[in-house]
Amino acid sequence: DGGITQSPKYLFRKEGQNVTLSCEQNLNHDAMYWYRQDPGQGLRLIYYSQIVNDFQKGDIAEGYSVSREKKESFPLTVTSAQKNPTAFYLCASKPGHNSNQPQHFGDGTRLSIL
Amino acid sequence: DAKTTQPPSMDCAEGRAANLPCNHSTISGNEYVYWYRQIHSQGPQYIIHGLKNNETNEMASLIITEDRKSSTLILPHATLRDTAVYYCIVRVGGYGGATNKLIFGTGTLLAVQP
Repeated sequence: DGGITQSPKYLFRKEGQNVTLSCEQNLNHDAMYWYRQDPGQGLRLIYYSQIVNDFQKGDIAEGYSVSREKKESFPLTVTSAQKNPTAFYLCASKPGHNSNQPQHFGDGTRLSIL
Repeated sequence: DAKTTQPPSMDCAEGRAANLPCNHSTISGNEYVYWYRQIHSQGPQYIIHGLKNNETNEMASLIITEDRKSSTLILPHATLRDTAVYYCIVRVGGYGGATNKLIFGTGTLLAVQP
């Protein structure tokens, strides 16, 4: 089935460590997105990519980095500079950034600090 | 982007219609209304979206008032599996750069009672 796969489902980070969250889609979508969700709150945009080899900062990009070397993959790295990384991370995609079609989401990665 | 206002929580009896309201009084002419829902610890699930006309799909109906300042999501026969947080989002359509992002608020927690 076509969809978005995020891995791992749960991830633990030690102080000072960088960790990378995986997001893969087989929907042939050009645009991909990373959001962060904190308990009881809505989603906030970290980074987005309109096309391969392009990405733009969202509202809370500090302490995060991304790459978009392949159309189907948009990994997110949570760096040691992100001082409060504990959150639920969601990846989404849609056919094109300017399309009115909806974004479709993966099932998320829950990151915690050891 | 226009902001939305939703009640924090609602109850609905199983088998009855669930009507979830959303106020978006500052919506502009080219902004679409999207509805998503999120079950605990899962990614948001797309439900339906519309611009001006009422819309219906296999999951729900979307009723948008003539002045577009509010809308209602209708789940015709609610089941226990429909218990979730429902998000109403407005977004500028077409070319708009970063304004094409989705802005998620805190949504409405719908509790379907047996």
